[in-house]
Amino acid sequence: DAKTTQPPSMDCAEGRAANLPCNHSTISGNEYVYWYRQIHSQGPQYIIHGLKNNETNEMASLIITEDRKSSTLILPHATLRDTAVYYCIVNRAGSARQLTFGSGTQLTVLP
Amino acid sequence: NAGVTQTPKFQVLKTGQSMTLQCAQDMNHNSMYWYRQDPGMGLRLIYYSASEGTTDKGEVPNGYNVSRLNKREFSLRLESAAPSQTSVYFCASMGRDRYTDTQYFGPGTRLTVL
Repeated sequence: DAKTTQPPSMDCAEGRAANLPCNHSTISGNEYVYWYRQIHSQGPQYIIHGLKNNETNEMASLIITEDRKSSTLILPHATLRDTAVYYCIVNRAGSARQLTFGSGTQLTVLP
Repeated sequence: NAGVTQTPKFQVLKTGQSMTLQCAQDMNHNSMYWYRQDPGMGLRLIYYSASEGTTDKGEVPNGYNVSRLNKREFSLRLESAAPSQTSVYFCASMGRDRYTDTQYFGPGTRLTVL
């Protein structure tokens, strides 16, 4: 699976959009980009995933560059409860694929 | 629909004691996983089960055994606990979600071995 690179930490003001970048320059054509977050030692929470098109759900938007070498997770209106470690993971579709969690980005939403 | 549930939430063991961590999912998923997370670290895969009746080792299987009891349940057993097994244990199941596979995690079991 392709390796990902994320900044170790970011701050965001409450109510503003949080834009979390991720580089995955060695991504293969059949690999998806997944985003999870972990709030203070709770179980990781799935946020969103995509292959090449931009995606949006009730939690966030995922913007993937045309060459698929990087992506950005957007939380449109960050709240204090969005403070968490955010993980960008690249994974091939298919059954029983282990997720490899790197060190992620610690997002702190400031009041 | 509870998703992935784990019991117990907390456990303290003495070195050499045994215990079983329970995990169940109600999403009709085929694949289930056990991870551990040490303080300040990422998750590491212990064992996984691609389908009912099959299990395979992950990255850190030593000191653990698993049982895929049925499609819903996947248990993790520590036969002789050691302080190095102090960790938070997460169970996950994986199912199809919008044309690809997605893993969903339980709340975790916090285990301390003295």
